[in-house]
Amino acid sequence: GQNIDQPTEMTATEGAIVQINCTYQTSGFNGLFWYQQHAGEAPTFLSYNVLDGLEEKGRFSSFLSRSKGYSYLLLKELQMKDSASYLCAVRAPGGGYNKLIFGAGTRLAVHP
Amino acid sequence: ETGVTQSPTHLIKTRGQQVTLRCSSQSGHNTVSWYQQALGQGPQFIFQYYREEENGRGNFPPRFSGLQFPNYSSELNVNALELDDSALYLCASSLGSLEQYFGPGTRLTVT
Repeated sequence: GQNIDQPTEMTATEGAIVQINCTYQTSGFNGLFWYQQHAGEAPTFLSYNVLDGLEEKGRFSSFLSRSKGYSYLLLKELQMKDSASYLCAVRAPGGGYNKLIFGAGTRLAVHP
Repeated sequence: ETGVTQSPTHLIKTRGQQVTLRCSSQSGHNTVSWYQQALGQGPQFIFQYYREEENGRGNFPPRFSGLQFPNYSSELNVNALELDDSALYLCASSLGSLEQYFGPGTRLTVT
C-alpha cells in the first residue's frame, strides 16, 4: 500500500524554528519532495531529497532517512508569510512512469 | 520562460454534466500529470501523459479521461459529474520524470 503521514496542524511564533515530520510507506521510492501551498493556490516546490542526509536551501532544510521511511522539513527564522500548508510527496515508480504520492499536508500557522 | 497555465480558473457544473479542463505545459516540458485535490487533502494522482500517450493512471474511474496534444498541452475530461468531483484540479508539467511544476489549478464545483 501507499501511505504518507504528516501532522495535520502546527503553530509557531514569528522568528522561531519549526520542524514538520513526514513518514512514508510506499511500494518503490524515487525521491521525496516538499511543496508549499498557500490557500487557493498551486503547490510550489521547496526541496527534493533522493539520498540520505540534509539538504539546505536558505531558511529551509530537508532531511531524509530512507531506511526509516522518514523525512522532515525545517523552517528557520519564521515569517508570517510562511503560514501555509506543507505537502510531503514521494515519487514512486510504476509501469514506466513516475507519479507523486502526496500526504494530506500540514497546515502551519505563524503567529506574531 | 512561460509557466504552467490552466483554464478556466473556476467552473460550476451540475451533477451528470460533462466538463473539460485545459492545461498548457511549461516551455520545453513533454510530460503532463493531472491531480485532484479535495478540500483539506493532498493532491491525488489521476493520470500522466508523455508524448501524447497516457503512461500511468491512479485510482480514478474511466469517466476521467484525457488528451495530450503535439504541443504538449493537455485536457482533462470528466463525464457524468458527481458531487464528490468538486475539487481543485491541478496540472503539473515536467521534462520526463524530473521535477513537476504545478499550474494554478481549476476550482470545479458540482451542484
